[in-house]
Amino acid sequence: SQKIEQNSEALNIQEGKTATLTCNYTNYSPAYLQWYRQDPGRGPVFLLLIRENEKEKRKERLKVTFDTTLKQSLFHITASQPADSATYLCALGNQGGKLIFGQGTELSVKP
Amino acid sequence: DTEVTQTPKHLVMGMTNKKSLKCEQHMGHRAMYWYKQKAKKPPELMFVYSYEKLSINESVPSRFSPECPNSSLLNLHLHALQPEDSALYLCASSQDRLVPYNEQFFGPGTRLTVL
Repeated sequence: SQKIEQNSEALNIQEGKTATLTCNYTNYSPAYLQWYRQDPGRGPVFLLLIRENEKEKRKERLKVTFDTTLKQSLFHITASQPADSATYLCALGNQGGKLIFGQGTELSVKP
Repeated sequence: DTEVTQTPKHLVMGMTNKKSLKCEQHMGHRAMYWYKQKAKKPPELMFVYSYEKLSINESVPSRFSPECPNSSLLNLHLHALQPEDSALYLCASSQDRLVPYNEQFFGPGTRLTVL
């Protein structure tokens, strides 16, 4: 069955450092992968999308890579700030528009 | 307006009650979704409406009944729920289910507690 694993449930880093979150998947061939941010008690907010034929995407301090051979995506936040503290979800999508979410990584950025 | 709104924010109901959750978007999106999210778990897809027709039902129990009265509104009717149905219910919309790569816009959710 399809399985999505995000590297850890929680990640603690110091302000100014780069946060790197990992999303691995098995038994699935996604057409694209998305990253969302979710704050406690709120709905997820879309951050970035990367297609199966793309290797890397950037948006301001965010960077996502996608390796379909390794079945892995890496999500980077550079120059991290306490305001970046949240849960980050990766989601795999197919052509039918259905998303399957990973369990999320809770990022905590300490000042 | 890039917002998805959901009402109510919180709902407490007994197992014999009937209640409804409401979702609204005015972005002209033609796909709308219901998700269920338990604490510390990812959102799980329940239903997808595309052009006001039910496209996907992820084998959800019949005590949950979705309805899409028009392209801007999505309801989830609840009846005879169980305590294990307590969760955050999220509504989302996207431009078109069959247009690839489009992101989903989520509402803030309704926190449901079943006693």
